This record gives sequence, structure tokens and C-alpha cells, in this order.
Amino acid sequence: AAGVIQSPRHLIKEKRETATLKCYPIPRHDTVYWYQQGPGQDPQFLISFYEKMQSDKGSIPDRFSAQQFSDYHSELNMSSLELGDSALYFCASSPQKLAGAHYEQYFGPGTRLTVT
Amino acid sequence: ELKVEQNPLFLSMQEGKNYTIYCNYSTTSDRLYWYRQDPGKSLESLFVLLSNGAVKQEGRLMASLDTKARLSTLHITAAVHDLSATYFCAGRPSGSARQLTFGSGTQLTVLP
Repeated sequence: AAGVIQSPRHLIKEKRETATLKCYPIPRHDTVYWYQQGPGQDPQFLISFYEKMQSDKGSIPDRFSAQQFSDYHSELNMSSLELGDSALYFCASSPQKLAGAHYEQYFGPGTRLTVT
Repeated sequence: ELKVEQNPLFLSMQEGKNYTIYCNYSTTSDRLYWYRQDPGKSLESLFVLLSNGAVKQEGRLMASLDTKARLSTLHITAAVHDLSATYFCAGRPSGSARQLTFGSGTQLTVLP
């Protein structure tokens, strides 16, 4: 079965640089979520999109922005990177419209971002 | 704001033993999720619990939900080494918000 695809899987950036993370949801899933997981921590919700519109916003820094495109893939843009941005970034997708859907979120493999 | 608390945070157990992980949440949550995460890996969905009294079982893991007590449990029966991982519970607040709020996770180590 198709899963959530994230790219790149690993990314090394220097402080003050920018980074773009990409997420391709499971086909027919209309909602995408971004989470950040620091070392030894639980995933923290950043932002979500439903049908290409931002639906909820969590603890996303102003330096970060995201969007969902017409093909439902999403990109998380991160600028002025700081050491504290080093983390695993997960994208998850879920089907909101499918009958019987339980809003279950399916997580991608994650992008490990290291800021040096 | 939904808050989710798990305990214990760390659990070492011997193979063959039983144990329970507890997940308390602060406000109404219309569904409760359990995920497994291996080090550096993604989150694997284990269970979605939708209603009061819901019980689901898969292999040596059984999850239950008591919405009145705002409590979910993950019971491990006759643990084996392959179950070593971090287990997260997560709630979704009632209403329109769809994002998950995770507990701190329980790092389970099953010793031979």
C-alpha cells in the first residue's frame, strides 16, 4: 500500500540558512499535518492543511511557512534556521471525507534536519 | 487545551511479564490513538479508540478507553524483546481541530 513520502530524508544546514521539506500524502488523502519531534521528545503539531487551505496552526515559528498545492503535496519552508530547529519533521496525512474514516493519521518516514 | 499524560515514562520489563501503560487526558477527546516508534523511525499506528469502553487487541497488545475517567491503557501480555520501542498515546480534541496532542511517550525495554 502507498505510504506518505517525505523528502529529503536527511538534511544538514547551517545557521541562518533556509530549508524546504516536502511531503506527498497517501493518494486520496485530503489533509496534511506537520509535526516536529526534538530528541527524546514527543511530536509537536506545527500546522495542517485541508483541501489546500490551512486548517489549524500549532506551535509553528514565524520563520516557518507551509502550503499545500493542487496535487495535495505540501511543503514546509524554514528560514533563518537556528540550532534548536534540529529535529525530526514528520508529515502525516488522513482522509477526512472517506466514509468510515476515523481521522487516523498516517505518518511519513520523517526528515531529519540538522542545523550546525 | 487538551493535555495528555503518560506513565510510566520508562519501563524495563522481563520477557514473559505483563504490564500496563497509562494515558490520562485533560479535556474531552473524541478519539484516542496509540502509536509505536522505534529509535529514529516513523510513528506506526497501533490502535484508534473511538468510544467509551472500546477495547482493541493486536497480538500481545491490548488497548482500552474509558472516556468518563479520561483514561486509556495499553496492556502488554507476555512481553517479548521485539516489543521494545517507545509507545505514544495521542488525543484529538473534540470539535473542529484535527491535530493530535501526544503524551510524552513510554520507552519500553524488554529484557531477556
